[in-house]
Amino acid sequence: DTEVTQTPKHLVMGMTNKKSLKCEQHMGHRAMYWYKQKAKKPPELMFVYSYEKLSINESVPSRFSPECPNSSLLNLHLHALQPEDSALYLCASSQDPGISYEQYFGPGTRLTVT
Amino acid sequence: TQLLEQSPQFLSIQEGENLTVYCNSSSVFSSLQWYRQEPGEGPVLLVTVVTGGEVKKLKRLTFQFGDARKDSSLHITAAQPGDTGLYLCAGVETDSWGKLQFGAGTQVVVTP
Repeated sequence: DTEVTQTPKHLVMGMTNKKSLKCEQHMGHRAMYWYKQKAKKPPELMFVYSYEKLSINESVPSRFSPECPNSSLLNLHLHALQPEDSALYLCASSQDPGISYEQYFGPGTRLTVT
Repeated sequence: TQLLEQSPQFLSIQEGENLTVYCNSSSVFSSLQWYRQEPGEGPVLLVTVVTGGEVKKLKRLTFQFGDARKDSSLHITAAQPGDTGLYLCAGVETDSWGKLQFGAGTQVVVTP
């Protein structure tokens, strides 16, 4: 089973709203990732969690706040977003950066900021 | 500047034809992955290559990793409409702690 699930599938939010994206994997992977993808572009790395600790933050604005409550779950809290933040947000997981670099992606959350 | 140069950017072919997508870099990669992505969905991992000169086959798809581990290619034989999608190569540089560097992607359209 190489499934990563993400909820919701679609999200529309205003610039003053607070919302959260959720990601879950049950493959026993110890690294989890958030990516942002604009149309016709490759995914851009935002955050990496390794063993539930934030290990990489790619200079992402503070209006995006990641959280890893446990090894299976990854959240992305959103607050005061801008219309240019509209994109497909992808979650991925991998076994362990020191063992395997294969990343498995979820289906994504299509976010629209109005 | 993209670390991984992927070409062509767009490929439109008829069903039954062959196609090749290239992924090139001046950097050495400890591994390289190929993904296919359909609109509104996440990328799906097709293959990982780790050894220089390695060739892997997945049905009608053949993946090669260059001897120097700086480049890779994806060849599809007798393409079918179901092969339509965005193909992404992604490499992991040595000592980059697993951080994927993506190519810009190749949009492949196979028409019946």
